[in-house]
Amino acid sequence: TQLLEQSPQFLSIQEGENLTVYCNSSSVFSSLQWYRQEPGEGPVLLVTVVTGGEVKKLKRLTFQFGDARKDSSLHITAAQPGDTGLYLCAEPFQGAQKLVFGQGTRLTINP
Amino acid sequence: DTAVSQTPKYLVTQMGNDKSIKCEQNLGHDTMYWYKQDSKKFLKIMFSYNNKELIINETVPNRFSPKSPDKAHLNLHINSLELGDSAVYFCASSQVSYGYTFGSGTRLTVV
Repeated sequence: TQLLEQSPQFLSIQEGENLTVYCNSSSVFSSLQWYRQEPGEGPVLLVTVVTGGEVKKLKRLTFQFGDARKDSSLHITAAQPGDTGLYLCAEPFQGAQKLVFGQGTRLTINP
Repeated sequence: DTAVSQTPKYLVTQMGNDKSIKCEQNLGHDTMYWYKQDSKKFLKIMFSYNNKELIINETVPNRFSPKSPDKAHLNLHINSLELGDSAVYFCASSQVSYGYTFGSGTRLTVV
């Protein structure tokens, strides 16, 4: 099972700023999922990227999948306090019978 | 509401006790999972069940015994609880090649 490395581990910025968090691997991803987890809740799926070079947008969130499918990024424009949470990338293995997670980026948006 | 629901939300118990966590999904998904999230927020798979059949047991101590009475339910029984079992346990479900839907977690504290 490959290791998914997320960076930074912690990020604290002011409301209105832009930010990017990363998910990297030494091996090629089959596909990649991004989740957001809020305190006291389970992770919630944001997006799945499959094709190298793919870009998906979800309101102020932009997800990119690297051309070589070994990295992915999540960019948030004009961050809001409601974006605060733990952002996790995850890769399905064994025919999606298990999901392997990165260690996450803990994002705090200060008003 | 369509969801994955797990009970209880909080569980505080003494070392050596036996406890169970229940999970139910009404999404019609074929596969259900148990994940453990440690104090550093790292999420790791414990078990996967597909149509009531165990398909993944990720080197979990045999004090942990999952049971799936039907496709919509997956319970987790833990014998002889140890301090190191303290964590948040998440139930999840999915259909193959789609993202996971997680429950809101059970925070287990062993004292």
